[in-house]
Amino acid sequence: AQSVTQLGSHVSVSEGALVLLRCNYSSSVPPYLFWYVQYPNQGLQLLLKYTSAATLVKGINGFEAEFKKSETSFHLTKPSAHMSDAAEYFCAVTTAGNQFYFGTGTSLTVIP
Amino acid sequence: NAGVMQNPRHLVRRRGQEARLRCSPMKGHSHVYWYRQLPEEGLKFMVYLQKENIIDESGMPKERFSAEFPKEGPSILRIQQVVRGDSAAYFCASWPGQPQETQYFGPGTRLLVL
Repeated sequence: AQSVTQLGSHVSVSEGALVLLRCNYSSSVPPYLFWYVQYPNQGLQLLLKYTSAATLVKGINGFEAEFKKSETSFHLTKPSAHMSDAAEYFCAVTTAGNQFYFGTGTSLTVIP
Repeated sequence: NAGVMQNPRHLVRRRGQEARLRCSPMKGHSHVYWYRQLPEEGLKFMVYLQKENIIDESGMPKERFSAEFPKEGPSILRIQQVVRGDSAAYFCASWPGQPQETQYFGPGTRLLVL
């Protein structure tokens, strides 16, 4: 079975500071991993995905994530936070592809 | 290429009424997922359907809830005899069927039970 753990349900960073949102996965087979962003009163939008190509994945809005098999992690980072980055972020894992497992989400607050 | 559509976007029901939520997947997608999101909580998987078949309904309450995805038309999530605890945002996602592909989410239906 697969699962995802997002450490830290709430993260606050200052504008311009590094954003680091943590995601650890559990999977007995090579996974596909995704990060999504959800703005208030909207659905989830794909930020980036890992599909066994490059371990460092670049997404939209300056976000990137690195797949580390030895640490079973797929942490999301952005060098410099912007006010518009304030949102809910979800990590998800799938293997066969027809069942997706989502983390409980991390709410990012950006302090001016 | 239209995205996933859900309607209505907002639905208000009184306790005991029925709520019917619709989801039209992206063109060419034959897989649909339904999720529920409560305030300050993450996404909870409810049901996974392919055309005319329920593949996995392990996340859906056994009573009052049902889902379908007919050969023609949108997927429907039906909640009978709604209670206040059913108030939540319900999201639909469609998937094209390739393992490396993401799900595509609709904007959600926000159900309020009075």
